[in-house]
Amino acid sequence: GNSVTQMEGPVTLSEEAFLTINCTYTATGYPSLFWYVQYPGEGLQLLLKATKADDKGSNKGFEATYRKETTSFHLEKGSVQVSDSAVYFCALSSTFGNEKLTFGTGTRLTIIP
Amino acid sequence: DADVTQTPRNRITKTGKRIMLECSQTKGHDRMYWYRQDPGLGLRLIYYSFDVKDINKGEISDGYSVSRQAQAKFSLSLESAIPNQTALYFCATKSTGPEQFFGPGTRLTVL
Repeated sequence: GNSVTQMEGPVTLSEEAFLTINCTYTATGYPSLFWYVQYPGEGLQLLLKATKADDKGSNKGFEATYRKETTSFHLEKGSVQVSDSAVYFCALSSTFGNEKLTFGTGTRLTIIP
Repeated sequence: DADVTQTPRNRITKTGKRIMLECSQTKGHDRMYWYRQDPGLGLRLIYYSFDVKDINKGEISDGYSVSRQAQAKFSLSLESAIPNQTALYFCATKSTGPEQFFGPGTRLTVL
């Protein structure tokens, strides 16, 4: 079945540092890939997505590239801010069947001033 | 107004009680989902529905039931709550595109 493995946290960085959160996946077919973000006390918000190999999703300075050859979708940001502190989830969606999202376990990111 | 709403936002109940969590959406999406989130486990699918007459079990449906009262409403029930059902519950909707849209969540505590 489908699975997502993401970098365990927690991750603590200083403001303006470079961020990478690793995510690899196992899936049949050609899944769509996502990063969702959960700010404290809130629900999940879609941060970015990519629907086919070599696509790059980007939003709010975050980027991730769909790498089929390495089955990866690593999240990056060049200069993090305190407001980026949240829990980040990598997820994939199969393109057939129930179309459910399969999530990684989440990575808690804390940015210190 | 939020596109996907969940009520209640927080609930504390006792073992053996029946609980209903409600989800409403104004996005006009046909597909609706219920997930639960546990620390260190990500989100797991409980039930999903592709339309009013289509209800399907997810990976952890035991102890839960659902009702799709209308295209816009999808309720999750715990017939007899137990402590290991303490979790954060999310409703989500989906159209024909790949992404899902989540509600704000319901934090349920079963004592």
